[in-house]
Amino acid sequence: QVHLVQSGAEVRKPGASVKVSCKASGYTFTYSYMHWVRQAPGQGLEWMGWINPNGGATIYAQRFQGRVTMTRDTSINTAHMELSRLTSDDTAVYYCATGEVPAAIQYNFWGQGTLVTVSS
Amino acid sequence: QSVLTQPPSVSAAPGQKVTISCSGSSSNIGNNYVSWYQQLPETAPKLLIYDNHERPSGIPDRFSGSKSGTSATLGITGLQTGDEADYYCATWDTSLSIVVFGGGTKLTVL
Repeated sequence: QVHLVQSGAEVRKPGASVKVSCKASGYTFTYSYMHWVRQAPGQGLEWMGWINPNGGATIYAQRFQGRVTMTRDTSINTAHMELSRLTSDDTAVYYCATGEVPAAIQYNFWGQGTLVTVSS
Repeated sequence: QSVLTQPPSVSAAPGQKVTISCSGSSSNIGNNYVSWYQQLPETAPKLLIYDNHERPSGIPDRFSGSKSGTSATLGITGLQTGDEADYYCATWDTSLSIVVFGGGTKLTVL
């Protein structure tokens, strides 16, 4: 059974960075891309990018270029998403998601979400 | 402003049918597969439809998907109060090189 378990809620001040983790189990971690999607309070879903755990290649949405870094540690089946230079607009629930087909936009499995609050 | 356009809300009575549209362009829906997600309050989204019309195991056949040109549609029959949720379409946008989501549609089962 596939599980994606994310790290706990975080509070940061404007200008700081945050790193969210996503531990995968129940499947071959390097098989499927890991995507990151965020959702601001009361808003819709927004894609941030993906990482291919097999090799570490990444694709980021242009609006996050230069601020987001996605990494993975295959020894512990964990993906990380770090976002820097935070502003209040980055307050959101951050999800990791993956699917049964490596490069497809098909998110069969989601983490529980990590609330990141940016406040002075 | 989302690249994919969905109606903000739809409603119907229990037992009835509802459709949710998702309108895009040739750079996204027109040339890529569409998936649909259900998000119940305070929970992570759940995959309902992939590859335009395929259902993952465990998703009842009350849920259906279709695509025509640059638009996709999610259909839900036999509405239940438990279907009250936000629904999102998603696909790859070849021009923007990003995954795009619709703005979401809130379903109310009256």
